[in-house]
This record gives sequence, structure tokens and C-alpha cells, in this order.
Amino acid sequence: AQKVTQAQTEISVVEKEDVTLDCVYETRDTTYYLFWYKQPPSGELVFLIRRNSFDEQNEISGRYSWNFQKSTSSFNFTITASQVVDSAVYFCALSEAIGNAGNMLTFGGGTRLMVKT
Amino acid sequence: DTGVSQNPRHKITKRGQNVTFRCDPISEHNRLYWYRQTLGQGPEFLTYFQNEAQLEKSRLLSDRFSAERPKGSFSTLEIQRTEQGDSAMYLCASSESILTEAFFGQGTRLTVV
Repeated sequence: AQKVTQAQTEISVVEKEDVTLDCVYETRDTTYYLFWYKQPPSGELVFLIRRNSFDEQNEISGRYSWNFQKSTSSFNFTITASQVVDSAVYFCALSEAIGNAGNMLTFGGGTRLMVKT
Repeated sequence: DTGVSQNPRHKITKRGQNVTFRCDPISEHNRLYWYRQTLGQGPEFLTYFQNEAQLEKSRLLSDRFSAERPKGSFSTLEIQRTEQGDSAMYLCASSESILTEAFFGQGTRLTVV
């Protein structure tokens, strides 16, 4: 069975601070995908990143960066110089990478990020 | 391209009534997914279509739930004899292939009173 744990239910930071959202996963699959999605108050889940389990390189996209550590089953997400527009609920998710399972996601419980001025 | 569209955005119904939601995926996306999200939780997978074929169903999808995608384009999710526990946000997503990411709609929020 697959499981995704986001231990931080809520984080509050002041604008321009860096913040890291933790994600720990469990799977028996050797090949899998990891994802991060953002859910603003409007409700729509916005795709941020997908990472294949064979690719452990960290990734940076603007103010966002992701740290994938297979040894600790973690896929953490860091926002540098946070902005008020970053306020949202962030979900980490996992799927198998075989057959048709690519977007049949197991989500964590989410971390609510509040960025204050 | 307006993205994944879901209707209605909100639905309030009395317990025991039937409800139907509609999802219009991004055109040319042949894969369509339904998820359910309860307050304060992450979304949970319900079912998945490739074109008109329903390929996967979660154990969460009880006999009161049925989903269709008759022509491989839009999809409907029907809940019969609604219960208060069905109150949730129902999210639809579509993807071009299993190798590409899924795009989500804004969801239909169901409240059963």
C-alpha cells in the first residue's frame, strides 16, 4: 500500500522568509512518481512538479526547489523568499509508474502555508 | 483552451436525493480522473477513464456511485441516495497520456443536508 505523510498541517511565515514543506512517502514499488500540487483558495489543484523515482537530482524552478532523498523516502519542497501569493495548501502525492497508474495519485494530507506581510 | 471545467460548482441536496456532476476535460486529453476531497484532507482517487473505458475504480466508489464517459469526451459522476458522508469536493482531472501530468478542475462542492 502507498502512503504519503505531510507532518506539517499548517505553517505561518513572514514574507521573504524561506520555508520548507516536508513530505515522506511509503511504497513497495521500485518505480514510482512523486508530485507536488498547490491548491489556492479557488480550489483548483495546480501542478508544480513530477519526479521519477530514478531521477534523484534536485530541481530548481525560480523560487521553488525540490529535494528528493530516496534513502529517507522524502521529497521536500522549499520556497525561497516567500510571497503572499504563495499562501495556499500544498499537497505531496505519489503514484506507481507502471501501466495506467501514472496519474492515479495517493495524496498526503496537505500543508497549509500562510505568508504574512 | 479553458482547462478542465466542472459543473455545477456547488450543489446542496437533501439526504436521499440523487445528484449528477459533469466534467469537461481539456480537449485531446483521453484520460480522465475523478477524486473526492473532504474538508482538511488530501484528495482521494475514485475512478479513471481512458477514452470511454473505465479502467480503474477505487474501493471508495460504493454501489451508489456511478461514473460514465459515453463518447470519450465529457464525464458524469452520479451519486444515488445521497448520504451526509458524501459531502465533499469532487474533483475531476485530465491528462494527455500516462506520461504527462494531470490538470485539475475547480471541483464541485456537494453538501448533503
